Amino acid sequence: DTAVSQTPKYLVTQMGNDKSIKCEQNLGHDTMYWYKQDSKKFLKIMFSYNNKELIINETVPNRFSPKSPDKAHLNLHINSLELGDSAVYFCASSLLRDESTDTQYFGPGTRLTVL
Amino acid sequence: TQLLEQSPQFLSIQEGENLTVYCNSSSVFSSLQWYRQEPGEGPVLLVTVVTGGEVKKLKRLTFQFGDARKDSSLHITAAQTGDTGLYLCAGPYSGAGSYQLTFGKGTKLSVIP
Repeated sequence: DTAVSQTPKYLVTQMGNDKSIKCEQNLGHDTMYWYKQDSKKFLKIMFSYNNKELIINETVPNRFSPKSPDKAHLNLHINSLELGDSAVYFCASSLLRDESTDTQYFGPGTRLTVL
Repeated sequence: TQLLEQSPQFLSIQEGENLTVYCNSSSVFSSLQWYRQEPGEGPVLLVTVVTGGEVKKLKRLTFQFGDARKDSSLHITAAQTGDTGLYLCAGPYSGAGSYQLTFGKGTKLSVIP
């Protein structure tokens, strides 16, 4: 059973298009996250949701918007895609009971290529 | 600002050799974590170190947390090809009053048969 799943695995699209990436976790976790991993493998937090409330929003363009229909899902919508958006996007989840020992579980990633 | 600096950035060794990778910061962390990421997959947690000076062992992997809780190291004994991957250190960080996990830029390890 997959703990954190993402769809699609690969996404190739043209500049200016709008796209969505879906994420689901079956771990019963309270908090979900979206990360962006660039071509140099640097993993950076974009958003996190706790009980359907946004609790982190890093300096991410407002073309990116997270949507959480319920505690098990956190989808990422991207409007007006740009070349610089090409990256691998990871969804993750955690219980977040203790920040020092919290374990994040990552999905397999979505490789987005903007042409 | 990069809170966690990892070195080396790339490491290529022969199977059977030993290696150490480092994670350093000028900031004190309540804990540090090590994740391994294999190609095409998401990072997977290997260990969390919480106490300054703590040493944890996971089979051939030995993790150490610095006494001042500003640095950590990962030592692999007798590396195997299955150890190949990207090793990421991470620590909890309260930016703008909210918890987040901040990552280093990783060490890409290649173990050659």
